[in-house]
Amino acid sequence: NAGVTQTPKFQVLKTGQSMTLQCAQDMNHEYMSWYRQDPGMGLRLIHYSVGAGITDQGEVPNGYNVSRSTTEDFPLRLLSAAPSQTSVYFCASSHLTSGRKNEQFFGPGTRLTVL
Amino acid sequence: AQSVSQHNHHVILSEAASLELGCNYSYGGTVNLFWYVQYPGQHLQLLLKYFSGDPLVKGIKGFEAEFIKSKFSFNLRKPSVQWSDTAEYFCAVNAQTGANNLFFGTGTRLTVIP
Repeated sequence: NAGVTQTPKFQVLKTGQSMTLQCAQDMNHEYMSWYRQDPGMGLRLIHYSVGAGITDQGEVPNGYNVSRSTTEDFPLRLLSAAPSQTSVYFCASSHLTSGRKNEQFFGPGTRLTVL
Repeated sequence: AQSVSQHNHHVILSEAASLELGCNYSYGGTVNLFWYVQYPGQHLQLLLKYFSGDPLVKGIKGFEAEFIKSKFSFNLRKPSVQWSDTAEYFCAVNAQTGANNLFFGTGTRLTVIP
């Protein structure tokens, strides 16, 4: 079991460039999500998915797109990178059971710098 | 909307000192409560969780937390910290219905001095 994997680990972009952060899980989890972590702000939810073909916005979705074509993969796309998107990005996944009593498993993170 | 407050931004303790980190949340419905830890350079790991029942929950590495419903609090405690507990600690909540979205506090950085 690899758990939740993310690539790349580090990325530097120039303003206006686009890129995709990859996330995959091998635990057959229905729920997947993307968070960004900024100093003094904790983790904030960007987008989430409760199953293949279903995505929705979180707290801070602007500038990001997602899709969920398979259960395993949940890529995050930056359409036109801005310095405000400099952050550490974490992908997480979990099962969805009654009462939502599910631990979320986090990937190792991607550190993104936008110049 | 849900929100989580962690009052301590940075806590510095000597080894063997006792630890208590505060967490308060606001939400109109029933929630699950979590504490996650992030060791330097690593991803988040679950320390402990509360769903229902006994309000005192025990987690890994000697940590425990107490849910006080009347105060909307879920404080993390450890009787005697070790240098290896140096990390950032996040309190989080999710609703027991709807998507499994977690709402995090801003985190508390713990530094333990040997």
